[in-house]
Amino acid sequence: QVQLVESGGDVVQPGRSLRLSCAASGFTFSNYGMHWVRQAPGKGLDWVAVISYDGKLKYYADSVKGRFTISRDNFKSTLYLQMDSLRVEDTAVYYCAKENIPRAATGNDYWGQGTLVTVSS
Amino acid sequence: EIMLTQSPATLSLSPGERATLSCRASQSVSNRLVWYQQKPGQAPRLLIYDTSNRATGIPARFSGSGSGTDFTLTISSLEPEDFAVYYCQQRGNWPSTFGPGTNVDMK
Repeated sequence: QVQLVESGGDVVQPGRSLRLSCAASGFTFSNYGMHWVRQAPGKGLDWVAVISYDGKLKYYADSVKGRFTISRDNFKSTLYLQMDSLRVEDTAVYYCAKENIPRAATGNDYWGQGTLVTVSS
Repeated sequence: EIMLTQSPATLSLSPGERATLSCRASQSVSNRLVWYQQKPGQAPRLLIYDTSNRATGIPARFSGSGSGTDFTLTISSLEPEDFAVYYCQQRGNWPSTFGPGTNVDMK
């Protein structure tokens, strides 16, 4: 069965860095685009970034462009999010999510349980 | 960045009633519109992609329609498990964006 397990969430000070990981299993990871989506406590969903199945295409939300970097290791079936220059407003639960159709970008059918990032001084 | 608005913010209905949720985009997203359901403490669940295609395992009471800038999610007859928050997401242009959500609660 498909599993996505995020890790790396922590409490960090503004301006610091953090790297999130998402370990995938139960499907052919290298065939699917992958996303990071976040949700601040009590708020709605906020799309963060996407990476294509082969890692060649990456897109970011305006709010994180230049600060966050999405990457993947298809040999390790792992997705990453490098977060630099963190701000208080980046505080959220971060979900990784897979596309529902191989080599397409139509919707996210499986999501991890989320990892909490808290940015506070 | 394409902005999505959802209406109403809250929809109070009873089981068995029909729910009609709206999502409007600030510019055309063609048919690249997705709907998710989220319950408290849970990750979102994919319901509909490309405006009208039900995801695997989604009951037929959920349907989507629309094109361009105006989209609708319809739940034909609410079941108790359908009371949740519903989000639309556009995939017409990157960056992708979500709407603010519609809370369907029990009257």
